[in-house]
Amino acid sequence: EAEVAQSPRYKITEKSQAVAFWCDPISGHATLYWYRQILGQGPELLVQFQDESVVDDSQLPKDRFSAERLKGVDSTLKIQPAELGDSAMYLCASSLDETQYFGPGTRLLVL
Amino acid sequence: KQEVTQIPAALSVPEGENLVLNCSFTDSAIYNLQWFRQDPGKGLTSLLLIQSSQREQTSGRLNASLDKSSGRSTLYIAASQPGDSATYLCAVRRGSNYQLIWGAGTKLIIKP
Repeated sequence: EAEVAQSPRYKITEKSQAVAFWCDPISGHATLYWYRQILGQGPELLVQFQDESVVDDSQLPKDRFSAERLKGVDSTLKIQPAELGDSAMYLCASSLDETQYFGPGTRLLVL
Repeated sequence: KQEVTQIPAALSVPEGENLVLNCSFTDSAIYNLQWFRQDPGKGLTSLLLIQSSQREQTSGRLNASLDKSSGRSTLYIAASQPGDSATYLCAVRRGSNYQLIWGAGTKLIIKP
């Protein structure tokens, strides 16, 4: 069964450093989402792509976060510089219709 | 502004019991509602999706109901098993081009 792949699974970094997360969606899924989930809360949408275009990045902190999906397939989410408050699980999901399929996530700890 | 609430935040029940998880939302003008499962430290798995025109959806031992007028949905789990232990989240969508609005989840523990 096809799955959404994410790497790394875990990342520990110091504040002010740069970090990057990678996501490979299920083949053929045009829509890709990046979410941030703080422990004990529901996911918060950071950015949504339709193919290579951003359709919603209203909640992305653009002063430090960036996301790209250059060829409309895999995607990278970057944080520079990382802050203590960025510690969270970063989830990637993809969809063909209304059902979103999630990857295992990247757990980020900023020290 | 749509808000989604799940109470209780945590629930522990003995194996074999039937149980109900609750989800409430403040704006009844929804497009659909979904229930997800999240295992510790992992991503989410979609369990059931109910369109606004539907009253319920069933999958195996799971049954989800939707009452838009009262702003409520329930997830019924029959004959609970230890493998059902996870966090269950609900999310609503205002329209097909709108993002999901999520609850914080209910952490369910099934005791053997």
